[in-house]
Amino acid sequence: QSVLTQPPSVSGAPGQRVTISCTGSSSNIGAGYDVHWYQQLPGTAPKLLIYGNSNRPSGVPDRFSGSKSGTSASLAITGLQAEDEADYYCQSYDSSLSGWGVFGGGTKLTVL
Amino acid sequence: EVQLVESGGGLVKPGGSLRLSCAASGFTFSNAWMSWVRQAPGKGLEWVGRIKSKTDGGTTDYAAPVKGRFTISRDDSKNTLYLQMNSLKTEDTAVYYCTTVGLSERGGYYFDYWGQGTLVTVSS
Repeated sequence: QSVLTQPPSVSGAPGQRVTISCTGSSSNIGAGYDVHWYQQLPGTAPKLLIYGNSNRPSGVPDRFSGSKSGTSASLAITGLQAEDEADYYCQSYDSSLSGWGVFGGGTKLTVL
Repeated sequence: EVQLVESGGGLVKPGGSLRLSCAASGFTFSNAWMSWVRQAPGKGLEWVGRIKSKTDGGTTDYAAPVKGRFTISRDDSKNTLYLQMNSLKTEDTAVYYCTTVGLSERGGYYFDYWGQGTLVTVSS
């Protein structure tokens, strides 16, 4: 059972917009800690997609955006493409644990 | 270009030991905080532990499931990170990733560069 809660799966057609939620609590996201997102394409290592709630590393398309409010955060993907089909994970810091890299359980994005 | 290359994975019996290595290049390793993250087959990501740079104290921190069994160390002269795993359990079976650590502005940390991973299988 993950500290951060994500939907197990989302789907969308090419060109559509999808969002993935990440819900935490008052000891992590709600305490003001930043949320970060990772993309894991099939059979590959995870890759940093969004850091500091809404910042994109160099090379990440602006179709990907992140936001945070209260005890939750969201990843939005616009103009969905077939190559976006992957697992997506949110991550934050939790002050009540040893608590360093708490992850969500991951969301499988299927492009229909 | 940042490169992280893990090695040392393999099959080990429960109760056994294994040491993983991560060879780093493309950045100033001695200044970097480093971490290990693992992923059990078909499961999500789990943070294992972290080591600070020597200039920041070189201290380590571990997730509860591995504390007291796993040890992270670094050799800055060889640009290499290590994960010594003792008293291995079947639930330690996973792909182990070496990552660099970024410091977040509003608190906390993130994992900005990842290696390709090395598979550790604990089974009798």
